[in-house]
Amino acid sequence: GQNIDQPTEMTATEGAIVQINCTYQTSGFNGLFWYQQHAGEAPTFLSYNVLDGLEEKGRFSSFLSRSKGYSYLLLKELQMKDSASYLCAVLDSNYQLIWGAGTKLIIKP
Amino acid sequence: GAVVSQHPSWVICKSGTSVKIECRSLDFQATTMFWYRQFPKQSLMLMATSNEGSKATYEQGVEKDKFLINHASLTLSTLTVTSAHPEDSSFYICSARGAGTDFYEQYFGPGTRLTVT
Repeated sequence: GQNIDQPTEMTATEGAIVQINCTYQTSGFNGLFWYQQHAGEAPTFLSYNVLDGLEEKGRFSSFLSRSKGYSYLLLKELQMKDSASYLCAVLDSNYQLIWGAGTKLIIKP
Repeated sequence: GAVVSQHPSWVICKSGTSVKIECRSLDFQATTMFWYRQFPKQSLMLMATSNEGSKATYEQGVEKDKFLINHASLTLSTLTVTSAHPEDSSFYICSARGAGTDFYEQYFGPGTRLTVT
């Protein structure tokens, strides 16, 4: 079966750095997405990785290791507005998005 | 670019009635649209995938006669919840993929919150 695992909830302090991990087992791989979702809103796109390595975009970076079936989202200089759920999703061989359950990130002052 | 709208943003209806939710791609042609449902504190659950001009493909466990999907044009898909019941209360989100966008990316609408009383 297809499976994506990420922690249910994480807590971090404003101004700090947090890393949200995602491991996956899917039928085929055509890339991995990270989305941010605030409560009551639709997901918004953060990043897309299809090759191994680190992609940096401002305060957010995303890393992928295809051989390990592993990705992480790194958030630096945390702000209160970063409190949200972060969803990991893999595009499988049929170009269907397989979603993780999401990681709720709580930022404390 | 790649904007998707949904209407209505929220709706309250009585049990037994039907509700139609519209999903529109505003600046691109959506060859494929996806309908998701999300219950509180849970992740997105794909309900169905529709390609323009053809019947939707429903995920296992989703009743196609209850959740009617029509993707009649390249910019519009509709989801009709028929004979709605309180357990259908949820956040419904559409997304679209198509010509003029990065082929692999789905663009999400803002979602529709349905409450059935």
